[in-house]
Formats: sequence, structure tokens, C-alpha cells
Amino acid sequence: GENVEQHPSTLSVQEGDSAVIKCTYSDSASNYFPWYKQELGKRPQLIIDIRSNVGEKKDQRIAVTLNKTAKHFSLHITETQPEDSAVYFCAAPYSSASKIIFGSGTRLSIRP
Amino acid sequence: DAGVTQSPTHLIKTRGQQVTLRCSPKSGHDTVSWYQQALGQGPQFIFQYYEEEERQRGNFPDRFSGHQFPNYSSELNVNALLLGDSALYLCASRTRDRYGYTFGSGTRLTVV
Repeated sequence: GENVEQHPSTLSVQEGDSAVIKCTYSDSASNYFPWYKQELGKRPQLIIDIRSNVGEKKDQRIAVTLNKTAKHFSLHITETQPEDSAVYFCAAPYSSASKIIFGSGTRLSIRP
Repeated sequence: DAGVTQSPTHLIKTRGQQVTLRCSPKSGHDTVSWYQQALGQGPQFIFQYYEEEERQRGNFPDRFSGHQFPNYSSELNVNALLLGDSALYLCASRTRDRYGYTFGSGTRLTVV
């Protein structure tokens, strides 16, 4: 079916430590994998994305890795800071990219 | 450059009523998708509009309908409102040849 599974649903890490969120998709034709950050009461905002022709992409403290064979992709946040606290959503396209399906979200809390 | 704008920001309706939500896409974007986000969950795909036609639809009943205008703006209509329709309704826009969506701030619909 058209679904994106995301784990864990909640994640608490010490400030300065790393956080990893994992997602699995089912459509082998999917070729674009965005990650969105949603702070309380605000809109989802695109923080990083990756296309299927690369295995990893970095942007400062954030990185995304993709394993197309296993249909897994992950978000890595290093040196976490209090402002990283939010809900993070992964997503993947289905039906020739006409649908972007979201995961169920991960609530990330950064402990001081 | 205005991003995606949605109106109204908040709305309270009674069961059985009808509601219309509006969205103006980001400048230069021609594709609009609508999502329903219940509290604590990920955005659920409702439908996508391009060239004034519904191109893809998620698992939502016919009570949910939409429209796209020649200026790319869009409306979401929900008939015969149910309590379960209470949610944040997000509009997202992109250009047809790009995957990355920009989200609006959403309309918070409460059905009582």
C-alpha cells in the first residue's frame, strides 16, 4: 500500500548528542525523500531532501541517508540544540510523484 | 515574495454544515495539494490539483471536494461536516517539475 513508516514516534536526547529518525517506504519507484520540521502550532517546513541518485546529503548539522535497496531513509541530527525540539516528518512520493505521503512523525525533545 | 497563504486561519462549524477553505500558492507555483492533519498525526493527503483538474486523490470520501482556478489558487470544500473532520487543513504548493512542497500555515477547523 501507499504508506511511509516512521520510527521512533518519540525521541529524547541530551543536548549535544545525536538524533536519528528512520523511515521505510514501499514504492520502489519513489525517487525523492523530503524531511519536514513542524514546531508547535506552525506549518511543516522542509529542512532537507534527497533524490534517489545519491546515498547521502548533508547540510550543516543535518544529514539524510538513503538505502534504495532496503527502501529505508534516515535523518541524522548532530550536536543537537534546544531549537531542534519539534516534530519531524519524513515523506515519499507515490503515483508518479502526484502524491507525497507523510510518515506519522517523530516528536524530538532535547534535554538541557 | 509571499509564501502559501490560507484563509481563514480558524473556523468553527456545526455538524452537518458545509465549509470552504481557500489557498493561494506561492508565486511561481502551479500545483496545489491539500492535507488534513489531525492532532498528533502526520498530514494525510486529500487531493492534488494541477491545470484546474484533480490529478490524484487520497482516501477521503466524496464529501471532500476541491477546485483550482486559472490563477492557480484553490479551494477545499467539505460537506456534511462530522466531528471527526476537526483538524488542521494544510495547503501545499510546488511547481510541476519540482518535488519540494511549501506549506501554508493552515486552517484550524473545529466541528462542534
